[in-house]
Amino acid sequence: DAGVIQSPRHEVTEMGQEVTLRCKPISGHNSLFWYRQTMMRGLELLIYFNNNVPIDDSGMPEDRFSAKMPNASFSTLKIQPSEPRDSAVYFCASSPGQGATYGYTFGSGTRLTVV
Amino acid sequence: KQEVTQIPAALSVPEGENLVLNCSFTDSAIYNLQWFRQDPGKGLTSLLLIQSSQREQTSGRLNASLDKSSGRSTLYIAASQPGDSATYLCALPRNRDDKIIFGKGTRLHILP
Repeated sequence: DAGVIQSPRHEVTEMGQEVTLRCKPISGHNSLFWYRQTMMRGLELLIYFNNNVPIDDSGMPEDRFSAKMPNASFSTLKIQPSEPRDSAVYFCASSPGQGATYGYTFGSGTRLTVV
Repeated sequence: KQEVTQIPAALSVPEGENLVLNCSFTDSAIYNLQWFRQDPGKGLTSLLLIQSSQREQTSGRLNASLDKSSGRSTLYIAASQPGDSATYLCALPRNRDDKIIFGKGTRLHILP
């Protein structure tokens, strides 16, 4: 298996532009998680899906952030409009089951820079 | 509310030494605990997953222990090598049907 695949690896955009991050989970995993990592705050969970349904989006910072999972093999995280404080590394992770029982596999992340 | 703490934030040791990394948590009613490694600019690699019913897990030179009653887990690295230099994070779920939360990690530097 190729693992969790994220694209792009790096994204540089201007403030106010729309940014879309993409994730392909491991085949057969039915839980998917979006995390954001910064030096100040460490790893923070933004949202997670189970069987393509958003279960908890309480970590999404504000309405500028949205996430979708149209099918079991694809998810997007969109920021519109982007701001410099959104600069961070965004990770996607997947798990075979709901919640924490089976452990998590992470993608390599997308490093986002908003100038 | 579950909180995860890792101390120290950074650690430097000479190559060849055995070392222990610490992780503490405030709510002992956990379901499992996972240790990850993160290399600079890279993603997270899972090292060990300990279920709540287990006391320890081993993989090669790594051994992770879990003591729920005291709210602690340790990651033991034997015969450290420069390639072990990375940030090590522990993570655990808030509850069984929930996502995991992370400690801030320990940045380990093995001196050649």
